[in-house]
Amino acid sequence: GAGVSQSPRYKVAKRGQDVALRCDPISGHVSLFWYQQALGQGPEFLTYFQNEAQLDKSGLPSDRFFAERPEGSVSTLKIQRTQQEDSAVYLCASSLGLYRGRETQYFGPGTRLLVL
Amino acid sequence: EDQVTQSPEALRLQEGESSSLNCSYTVSGLRGLFWYRQDPGKGPEFLFTLYSAGEEKEKERLKATLTKKESFLHITAPKPEDSATYLCAVAAGGTSYGKLTFGQGTILTVHP
Repeated sequence: GAGVSQSPRYKVAKRGQDVALRCDPISGHVSLFWYQQALGQGPEFLTYFQNEAQLDKSGLPSDRFFAERPEGSVSTLKIQRTQQEDSAVYLCASSLGLYRGRETQYFGPGTRLLVL
Repeated sequence: EDQVTQSPEALRLQEGESSSLNCSYTVSGLRGLFWYRQDPGKGPEFLFTLYSAGEEKEKERLKATLTKKESFLHITAPKPEDSATYLCAVAAGGTSYGKLTFGQGTILTVHP
């Protein structure tokens, strides 16, 4: 079946612009995760949802970052007033749930954000 | 704070030359250790989950093992198509599987 999809795949923004990154999880997956991956590094956790509830947003680097999943399916990561240090690949993952046997996170291809 | 360290940072092998990648972790209450493979320009692809020390999982030329302090990914007779970045991640603490903490990855190159 279809995997996790993300759009756009590439985004170039001028410093100070707002951007919105979209994630479509695997159908039936109730948990959804966002990670940020800098060049040459492993992914770093940003936030995650169980259905529409945001259970942990401890990884969001500043109040310029905001994530939502209003209907418990598609999620949007919004970055306001982008800065050059926001340049990275933003990865979305989804899983069946948060308990053993359902916890495997499947990743999308990522959105590569470049802030000029 | 959970910490995951992978070594070596990069590994170059000849086709057929077996080796191992290391993932050392310091966490409070390990719930699971995960191995992923990541090809350039793509998202991580799930390989294995290990839940407790002594556990082993195998898939084709890959075998993952787990102790109380580290995990190894053994690659037997690798092929050029095994070239990728291998990521290790842990889920720890709490009562459910939420965020993953990743290591920085090992870049594996297999030459024909």
